[in-house]
Amino acid sequence: AQSVTQPDIHITVSEGASLELRCNYSYGATPYLFWYVQSPGQGLQLLLKYFSGDTLVQGIKGFEAEFKRSQSSFNLRKPSVHWSDAAEYFCAVGDFSGGGADGLTFGKGTHLIIQP
Amino acid sequence: DAGVIQSPRHEVTEMGQEVTLRCKPISGHNSLFWYRQTMMRGLELLIYFNNNVPIDDSGMPEDRFSAKMPNASFSTLKIQPSEPRDSAVYFCASSWDRLNSPLHFGNGTRLTVT
Repeated sequence: AQSVTQPDIHITVSEGASLELRCNYSYGATPYLFWYVQSPGQGLQLLLKYFSGDTLVQGIKGFEAEFKRSQSSFNLRKPSVHWSDAAEYFCAVGDFSGGGADGLTFGKGTHLIIQP
Repeated sequence: DAGVIQSPRHEVTEMGQEVTLRCKPISGHNSLFWYRQTMMRGLELLIYFNNNVPIDDSGMPEDRFSAKMPNASFSTLKIQPSEPRDSAVYFCASSWDRLNSPLHFGNGTRLTVT
């Protein structure tokens, strides 16, 4: 069965500093990987996804993520965070063997706090 | 694009009462998902529909939970009777049922059962 681990429950970063959120997955085949962001009181919004090809994926809001098969990781990065980036971030792995998004498994999330 | 619409945004009810959560998916999407979010368990998939048909309800916690999708533009998640441990945020999401199609989430319903 697939699983996702986000080892950091909380991360605090100063505004303007760089950010890396960790995500490790367990999946038997080539995974389909996602990062979602949840702002307070909002639903989840897709930041970026990896299906195949270039292992460095660019997303919205200046985020990027790198797929490293050897480390079973899909870490999210941003070179300079803004106060508006404070939110909950979820990594997810998908099983598309059925052709759809039915097998999406989420990590428990990382809460990002931005210090002024 | 109005996005996925959920109602109500907040629901407070007493233990034993029936609760109905509603979802309107994005027009044209043919897959719909119900998720529950709690601090302890994170995001859990409860059930998903494809072309209005329930495909996998193995995540539904128990018989008190039921979900329906009478047409392509509406779904309900019902809890009867509700219990305090059902308190959570319930998300509905929709997508195309094909590769490369991400989930689009609603803003969720925060349920509190006292």
